[in-house]
Amino acid sequence: SQTIHQWPATLVQPVGSPLSLECTVEGTSNPNLYWYRQAAGRGLQLLFYSIGIGQISSEVPQNLSASRPQDRQFILSSKKLLLSDSGFYLCAWSWDNEKLFFGSGTQLSVL
Amino acid sequence: DAKTTQPPSMDCAEGRAANLPCNHSTISGNEYVYWYRQIHSQGPQYIIHGLKNNETNEMASLIITEDRKSSTLILPHATLRDTAVYYCIVRGSNSGNTPLVFGKGTRLSVIA
Repeated sequence: SQTIHQWPATLVQPVGSPLSLECTVEGTSNPNLYWYRQAAGRGLQLLFYSIGIGQISSEVPQNLSASRPQDRQFILSSKKLLLSDSGFYLCAWSWDNEKLFFGSGTQLSVL
Repeated sequence: DAKTTQPPSMDCAEGRAANLPCNHSTISGNEYVYWYRQIHSQGPQYIIHGLKNNETNEMASLIITEDRKSSTLILPHATLRDTAVYYCIVRGSNSGNTPLVFGKGTRLSVIA
């Protein structure tokens, strides 16, 4: 069966510090991978998605970047965090862009 | 993909059926209706999807009107654990690699 791992579960970072969130999928190959963010009290915003190694599509201009160095690994990064980067970050995978399977999320607080 | 409209919140008594509506009046012939839910502090979970026929699975039933301009997700016997935000999404079968876009959904509160 397929599983998705996302870590850490919670993270507190100072403004201006770097960020690296990692997501890995097991039990499947060549999945579509996604990063979503949910700010407090707001909806789910798509940040990045990838249909293959090295292929990243960005949905909104922002302070973040994503990379897919391996087939089942998706990394969300920032060189310098802003207060507005705080939120609940979710990684997801899918075979078909229709049924998405989400990780447990990372609650990021930038102080 | 067509836009959807959902009420921002609903209440339901425990043990009763929860009927969550969704309007998608601009839906086109090849677009499916998807439902997900998000329990607090967790990632969204796929529930069900359909094109034009009613669908049922172990989690819920999906009723799509004949003109396909609206649908209703039915949780037949709501429990406290069904308290969540429910998202209705419309997406075409030819949307290719375009990811799902989640709206604001309906916050369902199941009350004891």
